[in-house]
Formats: sequence, structure tokens, C-alpha cells
Amino acid sequence: SQTIHQWPATLVQPVGSPLSLECTVEGTSNPNLYWYRQAAGRGLQLLFYSVGIGQISSEVPQNLSASRPQDRQFILSSKKLLLSDSGFYLCAGRPGTSSNEQFFGPGTRLTVL
Amino acid sequence: SQQGEEDPQALSIQEGENATMNCSYKTSINNLQWYRQNSGRGLVHLILIRSNEREKHSGRLRVTLDTSKKSSSLLITASRAADTASYFCATGGQGAQKLVFGQGTRLTINP
Repeated sequence: SQTIHQWPATLVQPVGSPLSLECTVEGTSNPNLYWYRQAAGRGLQLLFYSVGIGQISSEVPQNLSASRPQDRQFILSSKKLLLSDSGFYLCAGRPGTSSNEQFFGPGTRLTVL
Repeated sequence: SQQGEEDPQALSIQEGENATMNCSYKTSINNLQWYRQNSGRGLVHLILIRSNEREKHSGRLRVTLDTSKKSSSLLITASRAADTASYFCATGGQGAQKLVFGQGTRLTINP
């Protein structure tokens, strides 16, 4: 089965600092990969998804960017964090077109001060 | 735009009772999925029901889908304290690469 790794678990960053969150996948090849953000007590907002290396689809205009340098690696970045970037960031993967189910990582709680 | 809307937003019941959560959506779907999230953790997939199915069971879970009403329900029977979590529905369209999640129902099971 597929396993999603995310780190760090928590992160506190000052406004204006850069951000890099990494997500790696085990147990499958050529997965679809997703970055979500979740506000406290709310649902998931899809930020980016990728169907392959170098292929990124952005769902909402924002201060963040994503990259997929390798098949099983998905990175969420920002050059300058805003207070509004605080939230719980979740990476998810879907093992190709044979399954609709998504597997989630443990998440990163980002606080921007 | 938001696709799935769960109802109620919060539900508190006694251990042993049944818990029912509902989800409504707006557009045509290929499948509907239910996920569970323990506080501060990632989501875990529970069950998937396809648009041509009306009911599906998995252990103590029962999911129904009514495509004419664009709604689904998740029933958890004989609830346990460990079922305390948030539950989300998510819809996938035909050929869609992504899911659209609802806002979730926060379920509390009181021992």
C-alpha cells in the first residue's frame, strides 16, 4: 500500500521568511500528488496537484508554489510567508488511474508569526 | 466552489448509539468517498461508493447514495469512543484527477 511522508510535523516561521515543505511517497509509482490546506475546524482546500514529474496544476491564486522534481517527491514552497499562510498542510497521493482513493500524510502545522 | 456539504456540522451521541451524517453535492459525480480525520492528523479513507451504486457496507459503516437528490449518508452503527473524529465526504467527477471535499462533520462519542 501507499505511504505518504511529510515533514516537519510543526513549523513556526516569521512573516516574510521562505518556506519549503516536502512530501515523499512510498509503495507506488507514477502517483497523482496533491497539496491541501486546512483551516482550523474546516474542510480541505486543494492548493496544487500533479499528475507527473514537472506537471503542476494550481487551484487557487496565492503566495505559494509547488514543484515535483521526482516521481515520488512533491514540494510546497513560498518565497515570503504571509500571516494568512498559517494552517494545516496535507499532502496526499493517488496511485495512478486505477484507484480513486487518496492516501494522506500526517500533515504539517504551519504557524506564521 | 464547494461541492460537498456535510450535515450536521457537529454531532454528539452516547457510546453504542448509531451516528448518521449526511452529505449533499451539486454537480454530477463518478464516485463519492468518505474519509475520517482524527484531531491534528491526516485523513484516512473509509469507503467509496460509485455513482451506479445505491448502498455499500464495510464493517460497522453503511453508506447510501441518492444521485437523484445528489446526497449521501454515512451510518456508523454501535458507535465507540474511538469513533470520535471528523468525517468528510469527497466527490470525484468522471475522469477527474481531483476530489472536492466538504466541510466535515465533527462526531463526538461520549462514553
